[in-house]
Amino acid sequence: DGGITQSPKYLFRKEGQNVTLSCEQNLNHDAMYWYRQDPGQGLRLIYYSQIVNDFQKGDIAEGYSVSREKKESFPLTVTSAQKNPTAFYLCASSKAETQYFGPGTRLLVL
Amino acid sequence: RKEVEQDPGPFNVPEGATVAFNCTYSNSASQSFFWYRQDCRKEPKLLMSVYSSGNEDGRFTAQLNRASQYISLLIRDSKLSDSATYLCVVNRGYTDKLIFGTGTRLQVFP
Repeated sequence: DGGITQSPKYLFRKEGQNVTLSCEQNLNHDAMYWYRQDPGQGLRLIYYSQIVNDFQKGDIAEGYSVSREKKESFPLTVTSAQKNPTAFYLCASSKAETQYFGPGTRLLVL
Repeated sequence: RKEVEQDPGPFNVPEGATVAFNCTYSNSASQSFFWYRQDCRKEPKLLMSVYSSGNEDGRFTAQLNRASQYISLLIRDSKLSDSATYLCVVNRGYTDKLIFGTGTRLQVFP
């Protein structure tokens, strides 16, 4: 089955802790994206990558980091510098202009 | 002014009704337009792309008005299963970055 997987479904972060959200796709898509969704707000772009070993900041990159060592994988790290990390995190991939989303990870702060 | 604006709703309609949503965008250079559907606590899923000539997919019709910078979605013969939030999505100018509206919530009742 082709698709995008994200794990874990729920993640709890303690103060001062870095956490990493996984995103994997087997659609052979070149581009991958990370978004954050807060209640009542549209999706906001955190980081994106058009090709392996290259990525760019989106609109709200502060407090986050990414890597793109493999075409299939685009993990997102939420660092302790992100002061308000509680949100729904969505990973997407695209081959042309259309983006397809994974099921998301809900991050909660303890 | 927001880059993409939608009426948040909710639109409460009976089964079988016809309902229409509009969305306005601010960047006249935008070239790609989409409607996504998002169920509660789930990821957005592509409903349809929107083409200049307008397009139809079963009970769903999308229209684009470049002069007035708005797109619309018409749903005919509403089903209970159409209850969801509908996201208007537009690319940012000459980039392939997508801007998501905050969504219009539709509730179809029996």
